[in-house]
Amino acid sequence: RKEVEQDPGPFNVPEGATVAFNCTYSNSASQSFFWYRQDCRKEPKLLMSVYSSGNEDGRFTAQLNRASQYISLLIRDSKLSDSATYLCVVNEDTGRRALTFGSGTRLQVQP
Amino acid sequence: DAGVIQSPRHEVTEMGQEVTLRCKPISGHDYLFWYRQTMMRGLELLIYFNNNVPIDDSGMPEDRFSAKMPNASFSTLKIQPSEPRDSAVYFCASSPPGQSTDTQYFGPGTRLTVL
Repeated sequence: RKEVEQDPGPFNVPEGATVAFNCTYSNSASQSFFWYRQDCRKEPKLLMSVYSSGNEDGRFTAQLNRASQYISLLIRDSKLSDSATYLCVVNEDTGRRALTFGSGTRLQVQP
Repeated sequence: DAGVIQSPRHEVTEMGQEVTLRCKPISGHDYLFWYRQTMMRGLELLIYFNNNVPIDDSGMPEDRFSAKMPNASFSTLKIQPSEPRDSAVYFCASSPPGQSTDTQYFGPGTRLTVL
């Protein structure tokens, strides 16, 4: 069983749509959670951290459910430029600083 | 400010040759990570350093792989001898000090092809 699991997609949505990605993690002791974005043939970049209380950054909202070991990312009013792969990332032990990456969910926003 | 710098950006070599990948972390960052990304296995952590000292090398696939960090501004990942299954994109990332900051900043990657 993978430590961080994501639906690989692709999710094909029209511009302006709302799309949600989900992710589950296996280690209940995990401490920190993130969403990274990776464009085709580019490096991953931090999109946002995920806090227990949930957090929002413009059109992006991240939620964490520790009881269910579940993380979500909601993108509202999607733009063509949102097309990318979204990686769910977990730090199981902040003392170690090692991040565990999901395999990513590919999003394609269509005009 | 310059981000993480990696070289070369692309490397094509033949099986059995030695390959050396290079990384310069962001100035002031004291954590450095080496990752490998393939379609089949996704992004995998190979090894990471803190203050130039290797902390966790459990992800290094086998003895053919070695990594060094001789100073705070330079690290190498060496594969000797290389094999076709080593073909992948190798990313270096760095992270600043501080318990509450574990965000990692990735370099552009080295795309390695072993023929």
